[in-house]
Amino acid sequence: GEDVEQSLFLSVREGDSSVINCTYTDSSSTYLYWYKQEPGAGLQLLTYIFSNMDMKQDQRLTVLLNKKDKHLSLRIADTQTGDSAIYFCAEDTGTASKLTFGTGTRLQVTL
Amino acid sequence: DAGVIQSPRHEVTEMGQEVTLRCKPISGHNSLFWYRQTMMRGLELLIYFNNNVPIDDSGMPEDRFSAKMPNASFSTLKIQPSEPRDSAVYFCASSLARTSSSYEQYFGPGTRLTVT
Repeated sequence: GEDVEQSLFLSVREGDSSVINCTYTDSSSTYLYWYKQEPGAGLQLLTYIFSNMDMKQDQRLTVLLNKKDKHLSLRIADTQTGDSAIYFCAEDTGTASKLTFGTGTRLQVTL
Repeated sequence: DAGVIQSPRHEVTEMGQEVTLRCKPISGHNSLFWYRQTMMRGLELLIYFNNNVPIDDSGMPEDRFSAKMPNASFSTLKIQPSEPRDSAVYFCASSLARTSSSYEQYFGPGTRLTVT
């Protein structure tokens, strides 16, 4: 099947690191993506990683990919209140432009 | 570029009425997607187009839903007749699908539909 699974909720304190996890099922995926959705807005692309890579860093964001376990994670360093949002991981199908999105993880940042 | 444009941003209608949602993709993009988001079901892909041609409409809930893409810069999602269970946020997204490249999608702000 094409299930992409995420935990529903994560709460962290401002300044701490956040780690959002995702498991996917399609081993033929070429790219994997992280999107952010703020309240009342559409999904915004944060970053993506090519399936041949195991890590990608972009400022405060670090993406880790374990292809053997089909596990993807997004680490946000020095988490800020503005990072509070729902985070979605997504995989492509390898041969088409369709993406399969996870269920989303709501990140709550507390003071 | 202005990004993906959707209209209206909010729509309130009565059960049984026809609803038309509109989308203008990013210029130059060749794929367009319609999604529905609810608390209960999350983000669902309804239909997507490549080069204005519908490729996969398996996510369209039932015959009351229809989508068209008459040209590369415009698409509509129509619900006729609407029902209260259609209440959701509907997103349009577009991407530039290229061989051996990433397929990142860019989302519009969404249309919040309420059917009473």
